[in-house]
Amino acid sequence: GAVVSQHPSRVICKSGTSVKIECRSLDFQATTMFWYRQFPKQSLMLMATSNEGSKATYEQGVEKDKFLINHASLTLSTLTVTSAHPEDSSFYICSAYSGGAWEQFFGPGTRLTVL
Amino acid sequence: GDSVTQMEGPVTLSEEAFLTINCTYTATGYPSLFWYVQYPGEGLQLLLKATKADDKGSNKGFEATYRKETTSFHLEKGSVQVSDSAVYFCAGGGGSQGNLIFGKGTKLSVKP
Repeated sequence: GAVVSQHPSRVICKSGTSVKIECRSLDFQATTMFWYRQFPKQSLMLMATSNEGSKATYEQGVEKDKFLINHASLTLSTLTVTSAHPEDSSFYICSAYSGGAWEQFFGPGTRLTVL
Repeated sequence: GDSVTQMEGPVTLSEEAFLTINCTYTATGYPSLFWYVQYPGEGLQLLLKATKADDKGSNKGFEATYRKETTSFHLEKGSVQVSDSAVYFCAGGGGSQGNLIFGKGTKLSVKP
């Protein structure tokens, strides 16, 4: 149980375009979903926390107008990278939390490459 | 604030060697503690967890014991395999919304 999917797994786009990444909890309802960005030297950076039906809470230094997060239902959250630039190229990982003991279930990640 | 400190890598071991990756935490209470593993090109998978002091989490030959007195949750494995090569993250539950505090990750490479 507790499977989280992400789509797409890889995306290559041109500079200036927008890219949407979906995160779905397949077999449970997630009260909260988290979006992380992973840098080349492996460290994970929490970008934002999203709760279904409310605005996402962004971490300091993360531009909310650039990284749009929508948590439309208890099983789906989306991250849209708007007007992407090469420096946005990264590995984006989502996770879902259903309550209790802080355990999060992670998606497989999305590799974004902006040309 | 809450924090998790993890030994920095990379760590390179020969197959069948003993593995220890240190992790200590700082928290106002007693959070649940986790070890996640990330294989190349993949997301994070839960390896093991402990929800209270003196609990031992174990999975796939890996173990970690929640030590309140030393605020530690060190990961150990008696005999590593090449397939254990991955990045290992220690994490503690510290937020009101279920957010985790992660260590910086330790890359393990096991050579045949």
